[in-house]
Amino acid sequence: GAGVSQTPSNKVTEKGKYVELRCDPISGHTALYWYRQSLGQGPEFLIYFQGTGAADDSGLPNDRFFAVRPEGSVSTLKIQRTERGDSAVYLCASSLYRGQAFFGQGTRLTVV
Amino acid sequence: KQEVTQIPAALSVPEGENLVLNCSFTDSAIYNLQWFRQDPGKGLTSLLLIQSSQREQTSGRLNASLDKSSGRSTLYIAASQPGDSATYLCAAPGSFGNEKLTFGTGTRLTIIP
Repeated sequence: GAGVSQTPSNKVTEKGKYVELRCDPISGHTALYWYRQSLGQGPEFLIYFQGTGAADDSGLPNDRFFAVRPEGSVSTLKIQRTERGDSAVYLCASSLYRGQAFFGQGTRLTVV
Repeated sequence: KQEVTQIPAALSVPEGENLVLNCSFTDSAIYNLQWFRQDPGKGLTSLLLIQSSQREQTSGRLNASLDKSSGRSTLYIAASQPGDSATYLCAAPGSFGNEKLTFGTGTRLTIIP
């Protein structure tokens, strides 16, 4: 595709449920990032993949959060036992060159 | 640890005015800095990417400057238009080798017709 695609665009889930958020990066981009943005704040880093491996997962808030990129393209962010505080917009970005980041439209997660 | 601050948090100006948005960062060992635009409910659109070797980068009515020694960047918007209304975010990576971006909280810009 022409840009980074994230699905779903909106997700409402009940507290305690498991959710998966998907990111399709720009074709050929080797780096993929996940960020989380709360209302009125800038995006906060969660995890960075270079190829299939997580090069930096220092931003994941706790062990309920996990992300994979098994074939070096599509990535899935997985959240277990969701809490109301997990409600935010989850943004995915990809890049081919250092320092550049092309963002998707985000997934708005609401935990009720 | 990189920290990014943006001032002001919100700005309203009449259409046609030139304006400056400010960004400061604490770790000056960066290899570039980016400015993004975010419309309500949307993702981020990259506006300008300034490499550490550059002092300025221009795209149309936008001009971004970078002063690593003082830890500052500015985004200059000339002849503002109502369509420029959005939130503007700056983002800096950490020291060399650190790939993650640290964002400011943004400046919410409103251009009054």
